[in-house]
Amino acid sequence: EVVLTQSPGTLSLSPGERATLSCRASQSVSSSYLAWYQQKPGQAPRLLIYGASSRATGIPDRFSGSGSGTDFTLTISRLEPEDFAVYYCQQYGSSPFTFGPGTKVDI
Amino acid sequence: QVQLQESGPGLVKPSETLSLTCTVSGGSISSYYWSWIRQPPGKGLEWIGYIYYSGSTNYNPSLKSRVTISVDTSKNQFSLKLYSVTAADTAVYYCASSVAAYSYVVYWGQGTLVTVFS
Repeated sequence: EVVLTQSPGTLSLSPGERATLSCRASQSVSSSYLAWYQQKPGQAPRLLIYGASSRATGIPDRFSGSGSGTDFTLTISRLEPEDFAVYYCQQYGSSPFTFGPGTKVDI
Repeated sequence: QVQLQESGPGLVKPSETLSLTCTVSGGSISSYYWSWIRQPPGKGLEWIGYIYYSGSTNYNPSLKSRVTISVDTSKNQFSLKLYSVTAADTAVYYCASSVAAYSYVVYWGQGTLVTVFS
């Protein structure tokens, strides 16, 4: 099983600042099959990035993903008030599909 | 736009079976892979497994001995059964859809909280 580790656990920032979230895998993620999701309280997760760097439909371009192998990054270039949430990475390159523990971005 | 809606009991007793159904609208059940994912209160996400309309399944080994996912194409529904539940199975259960067997989740249901307690 591929274990995902996310850092930091919590990121305290202000609107307008840049957020950099890390996701590290215990083994190489096949074909960069790595996704990022955003989850707000009481809501289901929402897909942001798939294939490590492709933005999902309707996702603003302030969100970007990068990385390959075992190290991946989600960057939010300028935080908007609605971006304060928990972010999860997920690998879907090998079964069982696994999620990281999440990074909370708060004010 | 595919929409997913979970339904089922919100309370289950220990050692009994958790049963949930997901109703699919806005899309054909033969076009996607259908998954169940859960999230214990205040914790992270755990993939349970998926099914294709043909009936082929893939389960998380950590739950495989206690899980059955089935599909009813005539009703545009798929279901989850989790046997012999304990308090550790208390979670929000999401149904979800992906475009391929090895793929990210495109659509999520709103989630339903199932509490295991006596």
